[in-house]
Amino acid sequence: DIVMTQSPDSLAVSLGERATINCKSSQSLLYSHNNKNYIAWYQKRPGQPPKLLIYWASTRDSGVPDRFSGSGSGTDFTLTISSLQTEDVGVYYCQHYYDSPPYTFGQGTKLEIK
Amino acid sequence: QLQLQESGPGLVKPSETLTLTCTVSGGSISSRNQYWGWIRQPPGKGLEWIASINYEGDAYYNPSLKSRVAISADTSKNRISLNLNSVTAADTAVYYCARPKFTSATNWFFDVWGRGTLVTVSS
Repeated sequence: DIVMTQSPDSLAVSLGERATINCKSSQSLLYSHNNKNYIAWYQKRPGQPPKLLIYWASTRDSGVPDRFSGSGSGTDFTLTISSLQTEDVGVYYCQHYYDSPPYTFGQGTKLEIK
Repeated sequence: QLQLQESGPGLVKPSETLTLTCTVSGGSISSRNQYWGWIRQPPGKGLEWIASINYEGDAYYNPSLKSRVAISADTSKNRISLNLNSVTAADTAVYYCARPKFTSATNWFFDVWGRGTLVTVSS
């Protein structure tokens, strides 16, 4: 199975500042036939289901604010929140969907306001 | 608007079988390459994909749970069910059902989720 490892486990960022979350996969998520990286990012707030933010490493889902962006390729990926807002507090997860199941999640990164 | 609603017992005794149902409204589960999934989150822990199935009964399981899990689809009631047997305290979690964003036989990531149902395993 592909292992997804996020860093850091937690971080605190001031309002309006940039937040950066990393995700490393144990094997490449880049499919050479279509040049796409098979990774998604989710936001999880307490008491709510996960919300899809990003897929194909960098495509924002509909309605997701443009302060959220995804980047990276191969085995190293980043979720960036350009200007942290109060409502962005929560836990963020990466998930691969490369090849065949199981499509595993990272362990999560808890984002708080400093 | 597509909505997913999980339902379950809330409390299950160790060694018993957990049965959960996901009722789909605002859409049909009967799309050829639409695989509906179950994902869980134990308290204070991360997300774990459990299983996925399409309306024809083509199912995939997480190898870590495969020996204890069965997923099924009921097109007449437009719902997906999950059975997990021989439960222990480690199966205590919020269980979510979810729909992948794109219809595909594989390569799922999920854009529509139910609100989840908490299942506690305790005597």
